[in-house]
Amino acid sequence: ETGVTQTPRHLVMGMTNKKSLKCEQHLGHNAMYWYKQSAKKPLELMFVYNFKEQTENNSVPSRFSPECPNSSHLFLHLHTLQPEDSALYLCASSQERGTGSTDTQYFGPGTRLTVL
Amino acid sequence: GNSVTQMEGPVTLSEEAFLTINCTYTATGYPSLFWYVQYPGEGLQLLLKATKADDKGSNKGFEATYRKETTSFHLEKGSVQVSDSAVYFCALSDLFSGGSNYKLTFGKGTLLTVNP
Repeated sequence: ETGVTQTPRHLVMGMTNKKSLKCEQHLGHNAMYWYKQSAKKPLELMFVYNFKEQTENNSVPSRFSPECPNSSHLFLHLHTLQPEDSALYLCASSQERGTGSTDTQYFGPGTRLTVL
Repeated sequence: GNSVTQMEGPVTLSEEAFLTINCTYTATGYPSLFWYVQYPGEGLQLLLKATKADDKGSNKGFEATYRKETTSFHLEKGSVQVSDSAVYFCALSDLFSGGSNYKLTFGKGTLLTVNP
């Protein structure tokens, strides 16, 4: 399954570093998402983009900054992170229809982030 | 708000055993229901879904039936294999608070280990 790709797969960074996570979807979808998966919590939705516009920010700290230059690409810019931000960051995409239940979300393999 | 509760793991079975992973949900309206699977070191993959009451989703020998009367979507497989070892997530779709976008609300996940 290569519909949604994420790079890098693993990232180790210090608290003063700036790095970016990249997601690309090859499915022709119009919505993209960032999720955080940490060991002790359920999957948490972070951001939603529809047609390149951010439509939801789920109370995420400003040290996480998303960017969606087009409907196929999604970035998550990271700066001055904390050790508790260490987690698996998952990107997903879907085709939003606007009414009824959501269409299926397709996930990438994730970026395993470790903050030292 | 909406929520998903699934049985705590880990679940350990022998090959060819019968599998049930319980999932119940709380939701307003009639959400779509999903089971996702996460194999070690990978992202989430859609396993099956059901969009309305009494629908049965099935894939790779796994089944789940959308039961509105019991608000449940239990995952079953008649004969598990070692390759089924993974984390299984139950999820529902719902509206993001106050918005027009849909998001997935996940359970905490159930780790399944199948021994030869």
